[in-house]
Amino acid sequence: DFVMTQSPDSLAVSLGERATINCKSSQTLLFDSNNKNYLAWYQQKPGQAPKLLIYWASTRASGVPGRFSGSGSATDFTLTISSLQPEDVAVYYCQQYYRPPLTFGGGTKVEIK
Amino acid sequence: QVQLVQSGAEVKSPGASVKISCKASGYIFTTYDIQWARQAPGQGLEWMGWINAGNGNTKYSQNFQDRVTITRDSSATTVYLQLRSLRSEDTATYYCARGDGSGYPRWFDPWGQGTLVTVSS
Repeated sequence: DFVMTQSPDSLAVSLGERATINCKSSQTLLFDSNNKNYLAWYQQKPGQAPKLLIYWASTRASGVPGRFSGSGSATDFTLTISSLQPEDVAVYYCQQYYRPPLTFGGGTKVEIK
Repeated sequence: QVQLVQSGAEVKSPGASVKISCKASGYIFTTYDIQWARQAPGQGLEWMGWINAGNGNTKYSQNFQDRVTITRDSSATTVYLQLRSLRSEDTATYYCARGDGSGYPRWFDPWGQGTLVTVSS
């Protein structure tokens, strides 16, 4: 199975500042035949279901604000919130879909400093 | 709009089974797959399995292979998750989510509201 490791476990960022979350896969998520990375990012606010933010490692889902961006390739990926807003307080998860079983990272909790 | 509405909370005894429903609306049911994941209290997300709503093909996590069944009723635009031989470690919120329509298990969007299953004697 693909093991997804996120870091840090939590971070506190001032409003308007940048938040950076890392996700590392135990195996490459880059599919050679289409040059796509099979990685998604989700946001889960307290008491709510997760919400898709990013797929194909860098494509924003419909309605997701432009301050969220995904980058990286193969085994190392990053979710960046360019200017943290109060409504961004949440736990963020990465997820690989290169091969079943689909697996998630352990989550990164983002708080306001 | 696309919506997935799950059945209500359940309390089960160890060894029992539970069947959770996920009713889809706002799109053509058979053109998108449905996935199931769960989240134990205070923990992360765990994928359980996937069904192609068009042809009924399924794929399960090995962690649940012999205890889980995912089915669909196209006429009711509803997908079901059944989990058998429940144990206390199965206490969790269970989520359904729509796939991307590719015919392969990929990302989840949108998600249902979740169904809390509590296993307790």
